Amino acid sequence: DQQVKQNSPSLSVQEGRISILNCDYTNSMFDYFLWYKKYPAEGPTFLISISSIKDKNEDGRFTVFLNKSAKHLSLHIVPSQPGDSAVYFCAASALGGTSYGKLTFGQGTILTVHP
Amino acid sequence: NAGVTQTPKFRVLKTGQSMTLLCAQDMNHEYMYWYRQDPGMGLRLIHYSVGEGTTAKGEVPDGYNVSRLKKQNFLLGLESAAPSQTSVYFCASSPTGLAITGELFFGEGSRLTVL
Repeated sequence: DQQVKQNSPSLSVQEGRISILNCDYTNSMFDYFLWYKKYPAEGPTFLISISSIKDKNEDGRFTVFLNKSAKHLSLHIVPSQPGDSAVYFCAASALGGTSYGKLTFGQGTILTVHP
Repeated sequence: NAGVTQTPKFRVLKTGQSMTLLCAQDMNHEYMYWYRQDPGMGLRLIHYSVGEGTTAKGEVPDGYNVSRLKKQNFLLGLESAAPSQTSVYFCASSPTGLAITGELFFGEGSRLTVL
């Protein structure tokens, strides 16, 4: 059973507009959420994260929103640039207990930003 | 800085053959992980290690073995390869599994095809 789900396999956006990528989770033990970006033939790279004690975290053009009651998070990219075209993975972790930092990933969303 | 290095980058095996993937990190990280990425499945944890000489099973460990004889190296072995193990394999490391950011550092991936 997929504990982290990204229901949109792909998203196409015009350059300069907003990109919104969504992620849902089912495990209430998750208390830390991350977004990774992956270009073809490369490994995923960390983009932005949010702790469950917050509902928003911003880093430049990237903002992550967390709605704990809905078990939903989203990544906003404003303005979108062609270089943002990549696969975006949502990931979750339970930092406490014996999780040892293991991450549970969603299926990924392919973002294409058109010039 | 090299970061996380995986060898080989590509490999084609016949069913029943064995092979070992090598992951090396030069960041003195304690924690290391092996993930596999399959279409529509995201990244799934195979095995992980919380320190030299220790290993533990992840989400999909069957058919794989691992060893962490040296802190900087984490080996993933396939004793008898099966077509279901055709995938892209990613190694990752973390300074500590309970790091505040929960960030993992990934290698570039190893594409394995089992015929």
